[in-house]
Amino acid sequence: DAEITQSPRHKITETGRQVTLACHQTWNHNNMFWYRQDLGHGLRLIHYSYGVHDTNKGEVSDGYSVSRSNTEDLPLTLESAASSQTSVYFCASSYLAGVGLYEQYFGPGTRLTVT
Amino acid sequence: KQEVTQIPAALSVPEGENLVLNCSFTDSAIYNLQWFRQDPGKGLTSLLLIQSSQREQTSGRLNASLDKSSGRSTLYIAASQPGDSATYLCAVTQGGSEKLVFGKGTKLTVNP
Repeated sequence: DAEITQSPRHKITETGRQVTLACHQTWNHNNMFWYRQDLGHGLRLIHYSYGVHDTNKGEVSDGYSVSRSNTEDLPLTLESAASSQTSVYFCASSYLAGVGLYEQYFGPGTRLTVT
Repeated sequence: KQEVTQIPAALSVPEGENLVLNCSFTDSAIYNLQWFRQDPGKGLTSLLLIQSSQREQTSGRLNASLDKSSGRSTLYIAASQPGDSATYLCAVTQGGSEKLVFGKGTKLTVNP
C-alpha cells in the first residue's frame, strides 16, 4: 500500500547539532509539507514543496531548511538545533481529490527533543 | 492573516450521545476545509474534505457542514462511541494555495 513514512520516530539531540528528519511518500504526490505541533500553538507550517527542486518557506521557517531532489522525499534539516525546536514534527503530502481539491495525508510524526 | 478557532477545547460526553464540534475561520475566502482526527501520540487521519462550493460531506456517522459566508463549519458525530475519543482538528486552505491553517483542536472523550 502507498504510504508516507517518517524517520526517526524519536530523536534526542544536543543544542547546536545539525539534525535531519526524513520524510518519504510512495503516492507520487507532487506537494509535500512539514509542520510542527506544539501545545498551545497547534500545527504550524515550516516549509513546503510543490515539486522537484521547488521549496518554499512557511510560517515558522527560521532555523530550518528543506531540499527536494526527487518526488518521494522531503528531508527537513535543523541547521543548529535549539531547545525551542523541541517539538513533534509531521510531514504531509497532498493529493488532487477533484478539480482544485487537494487532500493532505500525514505521516506518523517525529518527536524531537533538543537538550 | 487567517485564524481558525475551535470551540470547545475539550468535550466529555456519555456513549451514545450525538454531538457537534465547532470550527470558525476569520477569512471566508477559503478553498477547502478539512477535518482530521488525531489519536494520542499518532499522526493525523483525514476524516472529511469539503470544497468551498459544497455545503456538507458525510462519511458513516460523521457529517461536516460548511457555511463559508459566516466562516463556520461543524462536525456532527452521531451515536458516539468510546472509540471516537480523540482530538479533532479543523484546517482550511486559502484560494490558490494548498497550505493548511489549523485550529488547535477539540479533545473529545466518550465515556462508556
